[in-house]
Amino acid sequence: DIQMTQSPSSLSASVGDRVAITCRTSPSISSSLNWYQQKPGKAPKLLIYAASSLQSGVPSRFSGSGSGTDFTLTISSLQPEDFATYYCQQSYSAPPWTFGQGTKVEF
Amino acid sequence: EVQLVESGGGLVKPGGSLRLSCAASGFTFSSYSMNWLRQAPGKGLEWVSSMSSSSTYIYYADSVKGRFTISRDNAKNSLYLQMNSLRVEDTAVYYCARSDIGGVFAYWGQGTLVTVSS
Repeated sequence: DIQMTQSPSSLSASVGDRVAITCRTSPSISSSLNWYQQKPGKAPKLLIYAASSLQSGVPSRFSGSGSGTDFTLTISSLQPEDFATYYCQQSYSAPPWTFGQGTKVEF
Repeated sequence: EVQLVESGGGLVKPGGSLRLSCAASGFTFSSYSMNWLRQAPGKGLEWVSSMSSSSTYIYYADSVKGRFTISRDNAKNSLYLQMNSLRVEDTAVYYCARSDIGGVFAYWGQGTLVTVSS
């Protein structure tokens, strides 16, 4: 199975901050990396797919980059509604599809 | 508007069975691969099973293989997960999700809680 290492596991930030979350995979997965946001008690929401494509309706302050084994989710200016947990997930080749451990963004 | 509504969760004893359902609306259900994922209390996300649009391709996580069965009824716009030989470690919120691209979970239901406990 493809291994996912997401960091940090949590971070403290303030409104307006630029935030970056990283995800490393083993082995390489080309650009088959997706990012989700989950708020407490809610279902996850797809933010970014194929490493850098913004899902419809997602604010442009969210962006994704990377390929191969190293990927980054960046929030350019953190808003109050962005405090949540973020997960990376690989969709390379056939299942099993695997997720990172999650990054909790808190005040 | 895409809607996915799970049902069928509840409390069951170890070794018991449960059948989850997911009712889909707002899109052409028969055109999409569908998936089950789960999240144990306070833990991360885990993919459980996937089924292609015509039921040709079916996949399971090793943790549920041989115990869980995914199925769909395109005429009823519904996805199912039959869970047998349930274990305490199967306790989780179970989500139904639609794939727009293979392995990309674009739409999720609100989830249904399965608790396996004696």
